[in-house]
Amino acid sequence: KQEVTQIPAALSVPEGENLVLNCSFTDSAIYNLQWFRQDPGKGLTSLLLIQSSQREQTSGRLNASLDKSSGRSTLYIAASQPGDSATYLCAVDSSNTGKLIFGQGTTLQVKP
Amino acid sequence: DGGITQSPKYLFRKEGQNVTLSCEQNLNHDAMYWYRQDPGQGLRLIYYSQIVNDFQKGDIAEGYSVSREKKESFPLTVTSAQKNPTAFYLCASRRDRTNTEAFFGQGTRLTVV
Repeated sequence: KQEVTQIPAALSVPEGENLVLNCSFTDSAIYNLQWFRQDPGKGLTSLLLIQSSQREQTSGRLNASLDKSSGRSTLYIAASQPGDSATYLCAVDSSNTGKLIFGQGTTLQVKP
Repeated sequence: DGGITQSPKYLFRKEGQNVTLSCEQNLNHDAMYWYRQDPGQGLRLIYYSQIVNDFQKGDIAEGYSVSREKKESFPLTVTSAQKNPTAFYLCASRRDRTNTEAFFGQGTRLTVV
């Protein structure tokens, strides 16, 4: 059974710092991995989708990498800003149905 | 603007009452999903549908029911059989079931009173 883990559960950094969020999964047979952002009381916003054949994806200050063989993905945020404060969730698609299995998220606080 | 609309934003349910959460998308996506989010836990899949008039149980389907009569609509009914329904419910859609982004609505917070 696929399990997804995100460590740490919470992270606090000063503004301007570069940071890395971690996601690990137990079964390397995945179709894709997706990173989301969730603000308090809101829905999820898609940040990046990495297909199983890809090693990384970039969008602005965000870069996500995927190492299927080791069951790991990282989300790199460059030059963090207070507006980046949110919960970041990773999810893997390991079936042919589009179902996502989520980690519990990392809550990020960027202090001015 | 294309997107997913969930309503209502807040919903209060009395003991023994059935309630229905609405999810509508205008993205022309084939696949739709319902997830439940509890504090300190990740999202868990309730039901999903890959095509009109067809749907499948997810990991926590007991006490819930769905229908998919139209491509753009996937309502979720929380029945009285669901013993702990207080949670944040999220609807999602994908263009198809493989290698496409999932898009989410803004959620419905259900509280039992």
